[in-house]
Amino acid sequence: AQKVTQAQTEISVVEKEDVTLDCVYETRDTTYYLFWYKQPPSGELVFLIRRNSFDEQNEISGRYSWNFQKSTSSFNFTITASQVVDSAVYFCALRGVRVQGGSEKLVFGKGTKLTVNP
Amino acid sequence: GAGVSQTPSNKVTEKGKYVELRCDPISGHTALYWYRQSLGQGPEFLIYFQGTGAADDSGLPNDRFFAVRPEGSVSTLKIQRTERGDSAVYLCASSWDPTRTQYFGPGTRLLVL
Repeated sequence: AQKVTQAQTEISVVEKEDVTLDCVYETRDTTYYLFWYKQPPSGELVFLIRRNSFDEQNEISGRYSWNFQKSTSSFNFTITASQVVDSAVYFCALRGVRVQGGSEKLVFGKGTKLTVNP
Repeated sequence: GAGVSQTPSNKVTEKGKYVELRCDPISGHTALYWYRQSLGQGPEFLIYFQGTGAADDSGLPNDRFFAVRPEGSVSTLKIQRTERGDSAVYLCASSWDPTRTQYFGPGTRLLVL
């Protein structure tokens, strides 16, 4: 079975602070994909990043960075110098690869609500 | 280009009624997914279409839920004899093919009174 755990339910920071959102996953698939989505108050899920299980390189995109560690089954997300507009619920998700019997469905964590205060 | 669209954005109905929720995927996307999101939870998978056929409907909670995609584009999620527990946001997503990233629509917020 596949499972995603986001242990942090809510995080509150002050603008310009750095913040890390944790994601731990479980899967038996040897090939899989990990995702982060942002859900602002408007409700629409916005895709942020996709990472496949063979690529453990960390990635940076502007103020966003992702740390994928297969050894600990974690895919953490860091926002540097947070801004009020970063306030949203952030979801980590996992998808197995069908050829190995996995479904194409995304399995989501429960999300972390981030509030950035001015 | 246009993203995934869903109609209606909000639907209020009474217990026992029938509802239809519509999803218009991104043009050219062959894979279409329905998810349901309850308050304070992550989205949960319902059904996945590849073209016109349902390739995985393992997430449908019971036989009151049914979805179609007759021409391989627009999809309709149908819920019969609605119950209060069906109240949630129903999200639709599409992708170029099953291996690609899923892009989500704004959702339909369903409230069953």
